[in-house]
Amino acid sequence: SQTIHQWPATLVQPVGSPLSLECTVEGTSNPNLYWYRQAAGRGLQLLFYSVGIGQISSEVPQNLSASRPQDRQFILSSKKLLLSDSGFYLCASQGARGNTIYFGEGSWLTVV
Amino acid sequence: AQSVTQLGSHVSVSEGALVLLRCNYSSSVPPYLFWYVQYPNQGLQLLLKYTSAATLVKGINGFEAEFKKSETSFHLTKPSAHMSDAAEYFCAVSDPNTDKLIFGTGTRLQVFP
Repeated sequence: SQTIHQWPATLVQPVGSPLSLECTVEGTSNPNLYWYRQAAGRGLQLLFYSVGIGQISSEVPQNLSASRPQDRQFILSSKKLLLSDSGFYLCASQGARGNTIYFGEGSWLTVV
Repeated sequence: AQSVTQLGSHVSVSEGALVLLRCNYSSSVPPYLFWYVQYPNQGLQLLLKYTSAATLVKGINGFEAEFKKSETSFHLTKPSAHMSDAAEYFCAVSDPNTDKLIFGTGTRLQVFP
């Protein structure tokens, strides 16, 4: 089965600072990769998904970007954080089309 | 486009009582449907999934869900709640052609002794 590593687990950043959250996947190759955000008291919002290296689809216009420099590495970034970027960020991986999507343990981001 | 509606952001039951968490979906193609559970400060764990096989799907921890096309529903049930079932539950739908997984807003289950 897949193992998804996310780091850092917790992050406190000032408004206007940059962001980099990293996700790596073990146990599969050429996965579909996803970034979700879960704001306090709300559901999960799909931010980005990727079907291969360098292939990123953005689901909502926002202050964030994603990159996939390697097959099993997915990075969420921002050049300048906003207060509204605070939330719980989850990386997810799907080994093959139709297969179960597995989630990492999440990264808590607080923008102050 | 797919969407999911979870009725009731909070559900409270007594230990031993029936658990029923509601989920209705909208999809232009036959969907895949999922229930995930999230314990505090953790990621999501798959409870069960429907991928067009049997309409009654059994999952982990005694949970099951029934796909009802006529009602566009995929409600989650458990005959007898346990204290350890207290968590947030998310219903999700995906388009088999794109694999994008769209979540509902979640239902927080509380279990009282």
